[in-house]
Amino acid sequence: EDKVVQSPLSLVVHEGDTVTLNCSYEVTNFRSLLWYKQEKKAPTFLFMLTSSGIEKKSGRLSSILDKKELFSILNITATQTGDSAIYLCAVYSGAGSYQLTFGKGTKLSVIP
Amino acid sequence: SQTIHQWPATLVQPVGSPLSLECTVEGTSNPNLYWYRQAAGRGLQLLFYSVGIGQISSEVPQNLSASRPQDRQFILSSKKLLLSDSGFYLCAWKRLREYNSPLHFGNGTRLTVT
Repeated sequence: EDKVVQSPLSLVVHEGDTVTLNCSYEVTNFRSLLWYKQEKKAPTFLFMLTSSGIEKKSGRLSSILDKKELFSILNITATQTGDSAIYLCAVYSGAGSYQLTFGKGTKLSVIP
Repeated sequence: SQTIHQWPATLVQPVGSPLSLECTVEGTSNPNLYWYRQAAGRGLQLLFYSVGIGQISSEVPQNLSASRPQDRQFILSSKKLLLSDSGFYLCAWKRLREYNSPLHFGNGTRLTVT
């Protein structure tokens, strides 16, 4: 059974801190790994990673994939209160890739 | 541009009552459509997905069912709700046959079964 594990499950930081969120996976026939941000309602897409060692970056957020060690990290620098959200990691796997397998998410709280 | 609509936003239903949640997508044709449930501490669980009209795949045995009567319409139903059906239900779409494209989610329906 495909498995995606995120850590930590929750995290409280102060504005300006840098945080690293972790995602490890055990899946059959890995295709890609995705990160989403979920504030109150719909998860919104952040990054898709398919190749090892290539960093994806968007503003203060960045992510990298290690296909040998089967994990990814999401970094957020100079955190702001607007970064408070649940961050979800998900993996496409298998021959059809119709389905994403999600981790339980990391709840990030940024306090002023 | 593509948009996804999901309604209602919140719903409180008694145990044993029926359920119908609706999702529609605009601005694209032949999307893959999905229903996920998000329960506290359990992440997003895939319930159903559909690759075309009338084609439904179920991932988890339960008292829920799904239907796709039109290309861009996806409906989640139940004949008799259980307490355990409470949760946050999310509809999502992605482009057909683009295996590595992201899912795009609706704003969800928060269902409370009392």
